[in-house]
Amino acid sequence: GAVVSQHPSRVICKSGTSVKIECRSLDFQATTMFWYRQFPKQSLMLMATSNEGSKATYEQGVEKDKFLINHASLTLSTLTVTSAHPEDSSFYICSASGVRGSTEAFFGQGTRLTVV
Amino acid sequence: TQLLEQSPQFLSIQEGENLTVYCNSSSVFSSLQWYRQEPGEGPVLLVTVVTGGEVKKLKRLTFQFGDARKDSSLHITAAQPGDTGLYLCAGLWSSSNTGKLIFGQGTTLQVKP
Repeated sequence: GAVVSQHPSRVICKSGTSVKIECRSLDFQATTMFWYRQFPKQSLMLMATSNEGSKATYEQGVEKDKFLINHASLTLSTLTVTSAHPEDSSFYICSASGVRGSTEAFFGQGTRLTVV
Repeated sequence: TQLLEQSPQFLSIQEGENLTVYCNSSSVFSSLQWYRQEPGEGPVLLVTVVTGGEVKKLKRLTFQFGDARKDSSLHITAAQPGDTGLYLCAGLWSSSNTGKLIFGQGTTLQVKP
């Protein structure tokens, strides 16, 4: 199966700072990448959909100026949490689709963000 | 808005018992996927069902897609402690061409030895 790598797996940052999370498709070109947020023992909540070379489409209620998404190449998308606050602490997961033209999505390992 | 209702949300059973998790929607999905997730990790795909009425088996796990492609179920036979985890159903919206998945609320399963 296709491999999606997410980095870092864990990050702790101070309130007010920004944190960047990377999502890479290692062996395929991802035409579309998705960013999710997950609270403990809850399901995945889609934050935004990003297509290479175009602006991300954010879900209702997600602040695009707070969560900056860049999909500069077919193998890399980044999520930057700007001016992080403790309430931004969460598990962030990316997925990527585009293998052989399929819509099947492959998930990264997730990033545990803790804002102190 | 496409919604996928998953139930139950929490389940605690003894080793050897059987269980069924349900996913229901008023929308038609072109396919439905089931994932299992361990704490601190990303979801891992268990199965994808595509055809209405389709049944797939993965060892002690049986997955079924409803005839109308609006619902699905996951049945586990003789559950083991290793089956403990978060189970997620996710539907691929019929008109989506980007792979955008709609997730159910998840079922946290605990299997006690």
